[in-house]
Amino acid sequence: QSALTQPASVSGSPGQSITISCTGTSSDVGPYTSVSWYQQHPGKVPKLIIYDVSNRPSGVSNRFSGSKSGNTASLTISGLQSEDEADYFCSSYTSSSTQVFGTGTKVTVL
Amino acid sequence: QEQLVESGGGVVQPGRSLRLSCAASGFSFSSYGMHWVRQAPGKGLEWLAVISFDGGYKYFADSVKGRFSISRDNSKNTLYLQMDSLRTDDTALYYCAKDRRGNRGPLDLWGQGTLVTVSS
Repeated sequence: QSALTQPASVSGSPGQSITISCTGTSSDVGPYTSVSWYQQHPGKVPKLIIYDVSNRPSGVSNRFSGSKSGNTASLTISGLQSEDEADYFCSSYTSSSTQVFGTGTKVTVL
Repeated sequence: QEQLVESGGGVVQPGRSLRLSCAASGFSFSSYGMHWVRQAPGKGLEWLAVISFDGGYKYFADSVKGRFSISRDNSKNTLYLQMDSLRTDDTALYYCAKDRRGNRGPLDLWGQGTLVTVSS
């Protein structure tokens, strides 16, 4: 049950697009559509922003989008805004019927 | 509105036990799988355990298997995490979270967390 691998940090200027990768294995990300992304601002509770690889819950900005190819899932934030500065975590269902989170990515808006 | 409120955290010595509770309201608690997730200070999220809507199945992360147990009382709309043989590296903020569907995630509702500090 090793954590999914994410870059420690990603940065971009306001208005730009950034992409965060989430690399797993053939036992988690690869075979499943149950891949999610969470946003966590400092001192706050994680918030679901993408589920089932590419679906957005009601109320989440369409600037957030998700995709998956093989064992790697990705989160793209378009039109980067200052409020997007936060930590982002991916997660996946696994072949052991458990969940595994990614290592987390700190997004900085320059 | 939908809400989860954790309780039971505190300071405990290594090797001792602690039971966390998570009170649910605003949704049909007995219809959803529930999870426990923790976050050590300054660290990432770590998934711990899941229990099905009826308590019929439970799964655990390797890091807590054999030491932690998960249970629920649907008549009280409450989820529990029994933590035994606590270690210093169990120090974290513990969240309960609701599964959007069954047990595969996503986790669409989170509590505010309860802090557990394991220290002598």
